[in-house]
Formats: sequence, structure tokens, C-alpha cells
Amino acid sequence: AQSVTQPDIHITVSEGASLELRCNYSYGATPYLFWYVQSPGQGLQLLLKYFSGDTLVQGIKGFEAEFKRSQSSFNLRKPSVHWSDAAEYFCAVSHNFGNEKLTFGTGTRLTIIP
Amino acid sequence: NAGVTQTPKFQVLKTGQSMTLQCAQDMNHNSMYWYRQDPGMGLRLIYYSASEGTTDKGEVPNGYNVSRLNKREFSLRLESAAPSQTSVYFCATKWSRAENSPLHFGNGTRLTVT
Repeated sequence: AQSVTQPDIHITVSEGASLELRCNYSYGATPYLFWYVQSPGQGLQLLLKYFSGDTLVQGIKGFEAEFKRSQSSFNLRKPSVHWSDAAEYFCAVSHNFGNEKLTFGTGTRLTIIP
Repeated sequence: NAGVTQTPKFQVLKTGQSMTLQCAQDMNHNSMYWYRQDPGMGLRLIYYSASEGTTDKGEVPNGYNVSRLNKREFSLRLESAAPSQTSVYFCATKWSRAENSPLHFGNGTRLTVT
């Protein structure tokens, strides 16, 4: 069965610092990978997705993620965080049997300090 | 920005009471989903409807029923609420079941069962 691990429950960074959120997946074939962001009291919003091709994908709000097959990872990065980036971030993985098989990680809560 | 609308936003029930969570979308999407979000567990799929007229169980369907009333509306019913169903419930939609079609989420219903 596929699974997603986000090893960091909570991360705190200073405004303007760089950010990397880790995501590791377990799945035999090439997965479809997603990052979603959830602001307090809101639903989840898609940041970016990877299906094939270039392993570095760009998303909204200045985020990017890199797919590394050898490490089974899909880490999310941002060069310089803003206070508005404080939120919870979820990595998710799917395969070609439809979205009902989408598996979410447990999330990483990001706190930004001035 | 209507998108996916969930009602109510908050609800408190006593054990054994019933209620229906409503979800409506105006994006003409074919597939609709109900997730629950619990601390440290990410999102888990309860039921989904790949298209109008069809519904299927997800990962955690016990204690719930659903109705895909029409293309726009997908309701989730708790017939006899239990404290274990205290959670935040999210409705989500997507254009098709295809794995590369992203989910669009509502803002959630926070349910407490006492």
C-alpha cells in the first residue's frame, strides 16, 4: 500500500529565511505527487503537483518542489518565507487508479517568527 | 469565490443524534469527496462520488451515509453520532477521477459530538 511520511510535525523559521519541508513516499511505481496548503479555518489549496517530466516543479506563492526517485522524496522549498506562509502543509500521493486512492501525509505546521 | 460551499460551519451534537452535512459546488465538477481531518492523521477519505448517480466507500465509511443529490450537491449523513466522529469534515471536488485533476476543497465543517 502506498504511504506518505512527513517527518516534521512542526517547523519554525524566521521571516525571510529559506524553507524546506520534507515528504517521503512509499509506492512501487511512479507516483503522482501533490503539495497542499491549509490556512487556519480554511480548506486545502493545491500548491503544486508532479506527474512526469522535469523533476523540479514550480507552484503558486513562490513554492517549488523536487522529485527525487532515488530518495523517494518530494520536498517542498521556498527561498524566502513571508509571514503569510504560516499554515499547515500536506504532501499527498496518488497512482493511476483514481483520486479515491489519494493518500495524505499527516501534515507539517509552519510557524513564521518576525 | 463560491467554489465549494459547506454548511454548517460548526455543529455540536449529542451522542445518538443525527445530522446531515451539506456540500454544494458551482464548478461543474464531476467527482465529489468527503474527507475527515483529525490531528496527527492527515485527511482520510470517507465516501466519494465519481459521477452523478454513483457513490462508493472510501477508507473510513463506517457510521456514515452519503447522497449525490445531483451534479452540484453531495451530502454526508451521520445517523447516530458518536464521540469518535468528532472531527473536521471537508468536501472536495474535482473535474474528473483522473489522478492529475486537482482537488478543490470547501472550508470545512467542525463537528463536536458530546
